[in-house]
Formats: sequence, C-alpha cells, structure tokens
Amino acid sequence: KAGVTQTPRYLIKTRGQQVTLSCSPISGHRSVSWYQQTPGQGLQFLFEYFSETQRNKGNFPGRFSGRQFSNSRSEMNVSTLELGDSALYLCASSWLSGDNQPQHFGDGTRLSIL
Amino acid sequence: AQSVTQPDIHITVSEGASLELRCNYSYGATPYLFWYVQSPGQGLQLLLKYFSGDTLVQGIKGFEAEFKRSQSSFNLRKPSVHWSDAAEYFCAVGAKGNAGNMLTFGGGTRLMVKP
Repeated sequence: KAGVTQTPRYLIKTRGQQVTLSCSPISGHRSVSWYQQTPGQGLQFLFEYFSETQRNKGNFPGRFSGRQFSNSRSEMNVSTLELGDSALYLCASSWLSGDNQPQHFGDGTRLSIL
Repeated sequence: AQSVTQPDIHITVSEGASLELRCNYSYGATPYLFWYVQSPGQGLQLLLKYFSGDTLVQGIKGFEAEFKRSQSSFNLRKPSVHWSDAAEYFCAVGAKGNAGNMLTFGGGTRLMVKP
C-alpha cells in the first residue's frame, strides 16, 4: 500500500507570492492533517480535514488555508508569503477522525522563501 | 491547553548502551500519547502509542515506553541502541473523544550514537 505522498518535495518562492502544496493520503484514509515544522517553533498543527470539512484549526493566520477533495486528497495554500513561512510542511493521514487515530506522515514539502 | 516537554534537546549514547528519552505532558485527563521518530529529510514514523490499559507499551524497532500518571511522564526506552537509531524523536499528546486528530508535539530530542 502506498504511503502518504506530498508534492512537490522542494519549493522556492519569494516574499509576497502564494503557494499550493498537495497531499495524497493512504488509500482509504479520510482524515488529512497538516503540520508546520521549523527550527524555532518545532512541529505545529495547522488544520485537519475529514470528509471535505475542516475539523480542527491551529493558531495560524488566515493566509494559511486548505481544502480536501472528494477523493480525500488535500491541498494547503499559503498566500502573501513571508520569510517566516520557510518550513517543512508535513501532511498526515488516518482512517478516521476522532479519538486520535494513529497518523501516518508523508516526507513533507520543504518550502524556502527568498 | 495540552503541552509536551522533552527536557533533553540532545543526547549522545554509545552503540549497544541503553537509552531513555524523557517526555512530560500536561493534560486535564489521561491523554493519548505517542512517540514518533524522524530521520533527516524524512517525515515522522510512529514508534508506539498509548491509549489505555497496560502502562508499558511495546513499539517497533525494539522501543518501549512507560506511562506514569503520577509523574505525567511517558518516557521512551531501548535496551541496546544501534547506530541506525540516530535520529530525532518526538513525543506527542492527543486529545481524547471526538476532538479530531490534532497532535501537540514536544520540541524533540536529537539522538546521536557513538560507535
């Protein structure tokens, strides 16, 4: 069974641009969560989607948004990029949402802002 | 609000020596607890999880962890470390009930293994 797939693996953008990251969950998984990992702030929860609905949202500005499609694939969008958005963005999937199902992580998208 | 503290940022052990990584959590009730490992350039791999029941849980790669409610701790242990265990380890807590899948992570412990 294929794991969680994140594309692209690496991305370079400049300040003010916007970016879209993609995550394909493990087949059959309906919950997709996004995390930001930086050296200064560590791993922080961005949001979770389940059955195309946002289930939870972390403490991030509105520039960070996401969506989930009917096939459970998810995208994350960041608008008006700032230098501080440089990070590894990790996606995790699980079969269900609630009672903290074990989550399976992808290898991430490393976003660099110049 | 829930939180996780991993007091040791870096730990170095000799290959073959035993290992214990510390994790303390703050949560209103008994939480769900996880340990993940991250190798350079990769995502997180689940080592083990505690939901309820036996407080000593076994995981993959020979790791185990013990939940101690009185100390709010969930320390990770391995009796004999291999060079391939060098990585960063994260402890995480999740809320029980119908609260979704949000995890709160500790700051991580980077493990180095001396030959």
